[in-house]
Amino acid sequence: DTGVSQDPRHKITKRGQNVTFRCDPISEHNRLYWYRQTLGQGPEFLTYFQNEAQLEKSRLLSDRFSAERPKGSFSTLEIQRTEQGDSAMYLCASSLGAGEKLFFGSGTQLSVL
Amino acid sequence: LAKTTQPISMDSYEGQEVNITCSHNNIATNDYITWYQQFPSQGPRFIIQGYKTKVTNEVASLFIPADRKSSTLSLPRVSLSDTAVYYCLVGEVNTGFQKLVFGTGTRLLVSP
Repeated sequence: DTGVSQDPRHKITKRGQNVTFRCDPISEHNRLYWYRQTLGQGPEFLTYFQNEAQLEKSRLLSDRFSAERPKGSFSTLEIQRTEQGDSAMYLCASSLGAGEKLFFGSGTQLSVL
Repeated sequence: LAKTTQPISMDSYEGQEVNITCSHNNIATNDYITWYQQFPSQGPRFIIQGYKTKVTNEVASLFIPADRKSSTLSLPRVSLSDTAVYYCLVGEVNTGFQKLVFGTGTRLLVSP
């Protein structure tokens, strides 16, 4: 169990730029989740995948956000035309299946200047 | 999804037992209660999960009364390294989709 890996750990970008984050889940986990966390708040659900299928998206996920999980392995989260309000920690988690506990990565801290 | 209410913060000293209570008055029949721990700059880490009565593992105990409208996370003999934010969540576990809803959590500060 190598854990959930996220890359990069930190990202600083200018408003209007596009950014992409990567998440590598635990290898045998078929569920993958994205959460967003701002300072002093708990994580907020964004979206989740069952294998390669994206099955649920939060209303928080505007059309500037897109997530993919090709081949049901790693996932990417892209934010287009970043805004200062996008500054947050983006957390990825995976689980073995329905009802199983989530394993979180250490997150990608995004700062939009 | 059932809403949870926890104390915003708690203080303790090393070696003491800490009990964090979570209120979830509208918990549904199929909901389980799950606790996560989060250190700064890290993702949350699963601590314990239960449905009713008492659950114990190597890290903590979870006490759930018969009406299940509240639950208590018990951390025995805390150390400085237990300083963290603790989240209580409720939600269905055995359905096709488990969307965990985190509140603001309880910030536990353990002092020497």
